[in-house]
Amino acid sequence: DGGITQSPKYLFRKEGQNVTLSCEQNLNHDAMYWYRQDPGQGLRLIYYSQIVNDFQKGDIAEGYSVSREKKESFPLTVTSAQKNPTAFYLCASSSLREGLNSPLHFGNGTRLTVT
Amino acid sequence: AQSVTQPDIHITVSEGASLELRCNYSYGATPYLFWYVQSPGQGLQLLLKYLSGDTLVQGIKGFEAEFKRSQSSFNLRKPSVHWSDAAEYFCAASGGYNKLIFGAGTRLAVHP
Repeated sequence: DGGITQSPKYLFRKEGQNVTLSCEQNLNHDAMYWYRQDPGQGLRLIYYSQIVNDFQKGDIAEGYSVSREKKESFPLTVTSAQKNPTAFYLCASSSLREGLNSPLHFGNGTRLTVT
Repeated sequence: AQSVTQPDIHITVSEGASLELRCNYSYGATPYLFWYVQSPGQGLQLLLKYLSGDTLVQGIKGFEAEFKRSQSSFNLRKPSVHWSDAAEYFCAASGGYNKLIFGAGTRLAVHP
């Protein structure tokens, strides 16, 4: 079955350490996205990419970095510069060939806890 | 600024009762509108979407939503709620290019 795989499901890190969250999709989707979810705040866009080797900042990109070396993969690095990294992180993808507003397909998320 | 507002943080209904979740948007033009559902610890699943045309949109799991331009609203409805509908529901809007703006969500609890 096609889908989006995020790993790991739970991640624990010490403050000051960088950490990379994995996101892989086998849907052959062009676009991929990273969202951060905090209680009571909905989802906020961190970064998105519509094509390999290109990506754009979302609304809350500070303290995060991404890469898009392959169509299937869009890893997110939470750097030590991110002031409040503890959150639930969701990766999503969409097919631009279905139109500019084709629905997003989401992974099951990674819960990051930084202490 | 573009925004999506879900006025109700929590809603509790009895199983079998009808449900309406509210969503209002603020955009320069009519955006594309979506409703997603999220079970605890999971990703989001698309329930339905409004792109254009008929203002009453049917979705999965028996949900429907009505777009009302005059009220800038896109409320989600279900005539009879099942215990398995307990989840968090997100309204989202997009002006294009899949950059969705999400509301803060409404958590639905269902009493037996």
